[in-house]
Amino acid sequence: ETGVTQTPRHLVMGMTNKKSLKCEQHLGHNAMYWYKQSAKKPLELMFVYSLEERVENNSVPSRFSPECPNSSHLFLHLHTLQPEDSALYLCASSRNQRTSGANVLTFGAGSRLTVL
Amino acid sequence: AQSVAQPEDQVNVAEGNPLTVKCTYSVSGNPYLFWYVQYPNRGLQFLLKYITGDNLVKGSYGFEAEFNKSQTSFHLKKPSALVSDSALYFCAVRDMNRDDKIIFGKGTRLHILP
Repeated sequence: ETGVTQTPRHLVMGMTNKKSLKCEQHLGHNAMYWYKQSAKKPLELMFVYSLEERVENNSVPSRFSPECPNSSHLFLHLHTLQPEDSALYLCASSRNQRTSGANVLTFGAGSRLTVL
Repeated sequence: AQSVAQPEDQVNVAEGNPLTVKCTYSVSGNPYLFWYVQYPNRGLQFLLKYITGDNLVKGSYGFEAEFNKSQTSFHLKKPSALVSDSALYFCAVRDMNRDDKIIFGKGTRLHILP
């Protein structure tokens, strides 16, 4: 248990479904992240919420929509996904240390998404 | 743009032998570098980081990494491999413009053979 909890661990959805991934951290961190992990590809940073500011990767399709209602919770809302969106979605958190600049990420176990 | 490269998809090492997992980086300025490990069905775990100072950085589980500025490398090493070290290893670098943006490589799968 890392202190970052992701639910569900596994999700199968059709292309017309709407679902959400949830992430919760109990570490007192002030930054939260969504990463996409596909086989033999670099981890893809999707979204960052840091000190209440959202940093968005412009290449993320609009069918992925993040929500961060507070510093402990992060959601990824999924809508009309494509089969190529099947991947492991990892949530992470960190204590944003602007003075040292070396944020260490704590990851959840991931949500394995399969789009049919 | 900042990036890291992990040239090997997989590394096989016999148990008890020394291991090296390679990483090279491309950044402007002084890099902040990291290694993470992912065990099956788990998220990534932090192993070690380099910010400044001694070029040899020691981390968790007996791992260490050597920062080499002239070769722009940050290879992960361990003197004696264990079967339990078998996992997926990721090198990462902090974006020089945003301290909350960490850029990862594609990972290297390490197999320790008994």
